[in-house]
Amino acid sequence: SQTIHQWPATLVQPVGSPLSLECTVEGTSNPNLYWYRQAAGRGLQLLFYSVGIGQISSEVPQNLSASRPQDRQFILSSKKLLLSDSGFYLCAWSISTGVDEQYFGPGTRLTVT
Amino acid sequence: GQSLEQPSEVTAVEGAIVQINCTYQTSGFYGLSWYQQHDGGAPTFLSYNGLDGLEETGRFSSFLSRSDSYGYLLLQELQMKDSASYFCAVTGFQKLVFGTGTRLLVSP
Repeated sequence: SQTIHQWPATLVQPVGSPLSLECTVEGTSNPNLYWYRQAAGRGLQLLFYSVGIGQISSEVPQNLSASRPQDRQFILSSKKLLLSDSGFYLCAWSISTGVDEQYFGPGTRLTVT
Repeated sequence: GQSLEQPSEVTAVEGAIVQINCTYQTSGFYGLSWYQQHDGGAPTFLSYNGLDGLEETGRFSSFLSRSDSYGYLLLQELQMKDSASYFCAVTGFQKLVFGTGTRLLVSP
């Protein structure tokens, strides 16, 4: 069966500090991978998605970046966090031909202070 | 661009039936999905409509009308555990666009 991992579960970081969130998927090959951000009580904002190693599509211009160094690894980074980066970050995967059915990781709750 | 509209909140009592509507404006539409998210948790997939009509999965059903750019999620025999946020999402090329979500509150 497939499993998706995200860490850390919670993170408190000062403004201006760097960020690295990691997501890994087990039990599947060549998945589509997605990073979403959710502000409190709000919907899911797609940040980045990837359909293959090294292939990153950015949805929202911001101070975040993403990388996919391995088939089942997706990393979200920032060089300098802003207060507005606070939120619930969710990684998700889907099979390459099944974008509609996505499976989400447990999420990382980031608070920038 | 793409936009989806859902009611922000719906309330109902246990055992009742509730319908959550979703209207969308989009270019490049492949289908409509529904996700459930409990407070503090991650979204989970509920259903997908690629064609017009009704899809039934247990107590949950989902409907799509492409000509009306409209869909809904129908929840029957409501239970307290159904209290959650429900999101519709449009399937585009290689990605989903989510609505703002509907918070469903089920009372005894």
